[in-house]
Amino acid sequence: GQQVMQIPQYQHVQEGEDFTTYCNSSTTLSNIQWYKQRPGGHPVFLIQLVKSGEVKKQKRLTFQFGEAKKNSSLHITATQTTDVGTYFCAGPIQGAQKLVFGQGTRLTINP
Amino acid sequence: SQTIHQWPATLVQPVGSPLSLECTVEGTSNPNLYWYRQAAGRGLQLLFYSVGIGQISSEVPQNLSASRPQDRQFILSSKKLLLSDSGFYLCAWSMGHLGNTIYFGEGSWLTVV
Repeated sequence: GQQVMQIPQYQHVQEGEDFTTYCNSSTTLSNIQWYKQRPGGHPVFLIQLVKSGEVKKQKRLTFQFGEAKKNSSLHITATQTTDVGTYFCAGPIQGAQKLVFGQGTRLTINP
Repeated sequence: SQTIHQWPATLVQPVGSPLSLECTVEGTSNPNLYWYRQAAGRGLQLLFYSVGIGQISSEVPQNLSASRPQDRQFILSSKKLLLSDSGFYLCAWSMGHLGNTIYFGEGSWLTVV
């Protein structure tokens, strides 16, 4: 079935270092969404990308949607301790039209 | 604005006991409603979703069930809990197309002992 794969599963960085998580789908997605879950909290919607090749920025976070609309990335520049958490990508499944989440990338930061 | 409420926030239940988690959404009509489960440190597993009153779709076979007695109310139940039912249960809602953005409740931590 259609899957959304996300790598890496875990990432530990020093504060100030950059961080990137990647999301890949087996099929073309109509959109890709990113969510952040703080430790002990619930996932919170960050952003949605719709257009092929789209790039959006939120302060130190840069989101990209691939030209083929099958992959996406989230890049954080100069991480801060507030960036700690698990980042999930999600995309709609065609046909069943459900949102499928990647496995998430858990980011930990050494201050 | 729309809000989602989920309770209880934490629950410790013995094996074999029943379960009822409740969720309500305010500020919108006819939302899509979801129950997800998240094992410790793991991803989000979709358990049930509903597009309308009395309409429940199950994603995985398990000893859990869901009901939607009212438009903005979603209930997750079990008659007999298993140890493997422990986890973080998240209610969520969206509008329109099932592929649209999902908004999660604060979650319920269930420990089965």
